Amino acid sequence: SQTIHQWPATLVQPVGSPLSLECTVEGTSNPNLYWYRQAAGRGLQLLFYSVGIGQISSEVPQNLSASRPQDRQFILSSKKLLLSDSGFYLCAWSVRWQYNSPLHFGNGTRLTVT
Amino acid sequence: AQRVTQPEKLLSVFKGAPVELKCNYSYSGSPELFWYVQYSRQRLQLLLRHISRESIKGFTADLNKGETSFHLKKPFAQEEDSAMYYCALHTGGFKTIFGAGTRLFVKA
Repeated sequence: SQTIHQWPATLVQPVGSPLSLECTVEGTSNPNLYWYRQAAGRGLQLLFYSVGIGQISSEVPQNLSASRPQDRQFILSSKKLLLSDSGFYLCAWSVRWQYNSPLHFGNGTRLTVT
Repeated sequence: AQRVTQPEKLLSVFKGAPVELKCNYSYSGSPELFWYVQYSRQRLQLLLRHISRESIKGFTADLNKGETSFHLKKPFAQEEDSAMYYCALHTGGFKTIFGAGTRLFVKA
């Protein structure tokens, strides 16, 4: 069966420090991969999605970037964190080329920038 | 513009009472709609999708294109239904748009 791992679960970082959140998927090949940010009362905001290795699409201009160095690995990064980067980050995958494939989410990372 | 609206941030009902979580969408194409649920200390997960026309955990949702709605319903709420519910619109391609979510609280 397919599983998705996301880490760390919580992270406290000072302003100006770098960020690296990692997500890996097991049990499936060529997934679509996503990074969402969940804000209280505002739903989930799509940040990045990827349909293949090295292919990243950004939905919202911001201080963050994403990379996909391997088929089932998705990384969210920042060179210098801002206070506004605090939030709950979710990684998700879906089946490629399957219309209406639902999203499968990781457990999320709670990021607090101090 | 593509948008999903869940007008209620919090919905509180008594156990055994009917529950309806509202969802309205705005989309010019043919919509594909989902309900996701997040129980306490669990990951966000799919509850149901309109194309399947299924009932999951007693919940159903009917797509009403005329009213652009996809309300989630259950005739008799249970305490274990207490959770955060998100309505989501898949717009084709790779984008899924989520509503702000409704927290359902079922009182004993």
